[in-house]
Amino acid sequence: KNQVEQSPQSLIILEGKNCTLQCNYTVSPFSNLRWYKQDTGRGPVSLTIMTFSENTKSNGRYTATLDADTKQSSLHITASQLSDSASYICVVSLNTGGFKTIFGAGTRLFVKA
Amino acid sequence: KAGVTQTPRYLIKTRGQQVTLSCSPISGHRSVSWYQQTPGQGLQFLFEYFSETQRNKGNFPGRFSGRQFSNSRSEMNVSTLELGDSALYLCASRSSGYEQYFGPGTRLTVT
Repeated sequence: KNQVEQSPQSLIILEGKNCTLQCNYTVSPFSNLRWYKQDTGRGPVSLTIMTFSENTKSNGRYTATLDADTKQSSLHITASQLSDSASYICVVSLNTGGFKTIFGAGTRLFVKA
Repeated sequence: KAGVTQTPRYLIKTRGQQVTLSCSPISGHRSVSWYQQTPGQGLQFLFEYFSETQRNKGNFPGRFSGRQFSNSRSEMNVSTLELGDSALYLCASRSSGYEQYFGPGTRLTVT
C-alpha cells in the first residue's frame, strides 16, 4: 500500500534552535518527493522537490535529504525563526504515467521565543 | 505572474444546501487538482482536471463534483452538504511537471 508517514506529529522548539522532521514512504514506483510549508489557514507553499537521483536540496535555511534506498527523507531547519511555525507536509509522487500523489499528514512545528 | 486564486475565501452554509467553489489557476497551467483538508486528516485528494477532462478521482461520494472550463478555470460543487464537509478546500495548478502551486483555500463551514 502506498503510504507516506511523517514524524513527529508535532514539535516545539525554541527560536534559534535547529530541528529535523522525518518522512518515511512506501510508494512505488517513486518519481519525486516534495516538502511543503503550510501556514494556518493558508495553502501549502513548496520548499523543495527531489527526484530519485538527488539526495540533498537546500532552500535557504531549509535542507531536505532523500535516501531512496531506505525510502526516507528529512527536512532540516537551521536557526529557526518564529515565522517557521507552520505545518510541514511531505508529498511523494508516483511514476505511473499519470499524476498521482500521496500526502503525509504533516508535522506541526511551533517555534517559541 | 499571478498565483492561484480561489473564491470565495470563506463560506458558511447550512446542512442540505449546495455550494460551488471556484479556482483560477496560474496562467498557462492546464491541470487543476482539488483537495479537502480537515484537522487531523491531512490533505485528501478529490479530483484532477486537465484540459476540461477529469483525469483522476479520489474516494469521495458522488455529492462532490467538479468541472473545468476552456480557460482552465475550475469549479467544485458539493451538494446536500453535511456537517462533516466543513473543511479547507484547496486547489492546486501545475503545468507539465510535478510541481504544484496551491491557492489560499476556501474555508467552508457547514452548520
